[in-house]
Amino acid sequence: QVQLKESGPGLVQPSQTLSLTCTVSGFSLTSYNVHWVRQPTGKGLEWMGVIWTGGSTDYNSALKSRLSISRDTSKSQVFLKMNSLQTEDIATYYCARDTGPWYFDYWGQGVMVTVSS
Amino acid sequence: DIQMTQSPSSMSASLGDTVTINCLASQDIGNYLSWYQQKPGKSPKLMIYGATNLEDGVPSRFSGSRSGSDYSLTINSLGYDDEGIYHCHQYYEYPLTFGSGTKLEIK
Repeated sequence: QVQLKESGPGLVQPSQTLSLTCTVSGFSLTSYNVHWVRQPTGKGLEWMGVIWTGGSTDYNSALKSRLSISRDTSKSQVFLKMNSLQTEDIATYYCARDTGPWYFDYWGQGVMVTVSS
Repeated sequence: DIQMTQSPSSMSASLGDTVTINCLASQDIGNYLSWYQQKPGKSPKLMIYGATNLEDGVPSRFSGSRSGSDYSLTINSLGYDDEGIYHCHQYYEYPLTFGSGTKLEIK
């Protein structure tokens, strides 16, 4: 069955780089787009970026200068890297699959990230 | 960017009630609107897509509608399992954007 699972450190120091991995199963990264969405505690959802089936990417302009999304199709993994982390980046980070039209039919469980020294 | 103005931010209703949650898009998004339900500590769950289409497995008590740039999620015959936060989401254009969420409490 379709599954997505985020992994990565739950604690990042200010100004450092966040690295997260989304490991997928039940579908191919060359057939479905995968997005990153984050949610500060008690707040709404923010779309961060997408890696398309062909491997190209698009980012939220508010994060574009700090964000990079890549993948390893052989390992069914999508990677998120975001630098210069600040307290405003404290959130739960989700990866999600879209269906073709860009709504999300499957989500990962999420990973909570805290920024603190 | 397309702004999605969601209301109310929170609401409380009783078992068996009917409730409606609204999202107003800042520009035309056609039917490119989905709704998600989120339980505490869980990831969002797709409920409605294409403004009015029920996702497989979602109870028929849930329905979506559109009037111009106003989109609504209606839940009939409320049950305790309907408690959570509901998010609208436009996927008409990038960047994809979400409403601010509606917290639904069942009294």
